[in-house]
Amino acid sequence: DADVTQTPRNRITKTGKRIMLECSQTKGHDRMYWYRQDPGLGLQLIYYSFDVKDINKGEISDGYSVSRQAQAKFSLSLESAIPNQTALYFCATSDRNTGELFFGEGSRLTVL
Amino acid sequence: RKEVEQDPGPFNVPEGATVAFNCTYSNSASQSFFWYRQDCRKEPKLLMSVYSSGNEDGRFTAQLNRASQYISLLIRDSKLSDSATYLCVVNLGRGDTGRRALTFGSGTRLQVQP
Repeated sequence: DADVTQTPRNRITKTGKRIMLECSQTKGHDRMYWYRQDPGLGLQLIYYSFDVKDINKGEISDGYSVSRQAQAKFSLSLESAIPNQTALYFCATSDRNTGELFFGEGSRLTVL
Repeated sequence: RKEVEQDPGPFNVPEGATVAFNCTYSNSASQSFFWYRQDCRKEPKLLMSVYSSGNEDGRFTAQLNRASQYISLLIRDSKLSDSATYLCVVNLGRGDTGRRALTFGSGTRLQVQP
């Protein structure tokens, strides 16, 4: 079983709809992240959380919100999806000591 | 100028070749450096950390040049299975909120050909 699990893996939705992407982890890490990846642009940080009570905006947080429901769970919401939010979304956790990131398998979102 | 910059490639090399990638970063105070590998449509995975003195892991060698603000990855004796995108990752270390997490380059694509 994957240590970092994202659901759904694929989603097609329409403009204006509310979407939630969920992430859960069994690695016991405090630090969790949401990234999006667009072709040719690498990964861009949306939000990150260093513990349950700590939420921080990343480079591209506009149009997104997050919730850290527990140490193991970090969800990303798009309140009103728009087509330029079509992308591959990755959740990740990191080891506090080494800084290594562990990624989920990604959630591919298409907004029509 | 991007904060972490890589040549996008693609680098097309024959099996057995040696290939090197560079990555430049903008902040001289950057604290930690990594190379990640990403296969097509898959999640990135850590290839190796980059230490100040340089480090080697089998066919892979990573180096850091703080004076010129770049890191490099050298792959010797390329294998078909090395074909992937290689992501340079830097902790820019500014300390202000929103910048404490790692910053990714856009990746360099490597295609090793038989």
